[in-house]
Amino acid sequence: AAGVIQSPRHLIKEKRETATLKCYPIPRHDTVYWYQQGPGQDPQFLISFYEKMQSDKGSIPDRFSAQQFSDYHSELNMSSLELGDSALYFCASSSTKELGASYEQYFGPGTRLTVT
Amino acid sequence: AQSVTQPDIHITVSEGASLELRCNYSYGATPYLFWYVQSPGQGLQLLLKYFSGDTLVQGIKGFEAEFKRSQSSFNLRKPSVHWSDAAEYFCAVGAESSASKIIFGSGTRLSIRP
Repeated sequence: AAGVIQSPRHLIKEKRETATLKCYPIPRHDTVYWYQQGPGQDPQFLISFYEKMQSDKGSIPDRFSAQQFSDYHSELNMSSLELGDSALYFCASSSTKELGASYEQYFGPGTRLTVT
Repeated sequence: AQSVTQPDIHITVSEGASLELRCNYSYGATPYLFWYVQSPGQGLQLLLKYFSGDTLVQGIKGFEAEFKRSQSSFNLRKPSVHWSDAAEYFCAVGAESSASKIIFGSGTRLSIRP
């Protein structure tokens, strides 16, 4: 079965640079979520989109922005990168078509961002 | 606010022994509860979930969890662990404020003694 695809899998950037992470949800899933997992930490919710509109917002820095496109893929844009942004960034997707299904999120393999 | 507590940071069990990982949650209504497993450097895999109904839920890889409302717990169990079960385990709850985000516990790292 198709899974959530994230690209790139690894990314190395320098401080103050920008980065763009991409997420391709499972086909027919309409909701995308972004999470950040720092070293030794639990995943923290950043932001989510439903039908191309922002549906919820968590602890996402103002330097970050995200959007969902017409084909439901999503991009997380990160500017003025800081050392503390080094983390594993997960994308997850879900479908709202079934009752309760929106709570079942399928996670991608993550993008490991290293800021030097 | 919703929260999840995993009181055990690290647990070591012998291969073939039984396992129980503890999880307590704070939630105002009927919670949506999950257990995820994460191998080193890997993504999050859903082991099992509880939405409603039978309080004992079966998951993949021989895991099960029991929802106990009176104790606000959702402990994960496995009768006999295998070396391949060594990983980080996260308990999570569906957030009360929206239908979208998941709130994770701090995780329990499971090591298997040969």
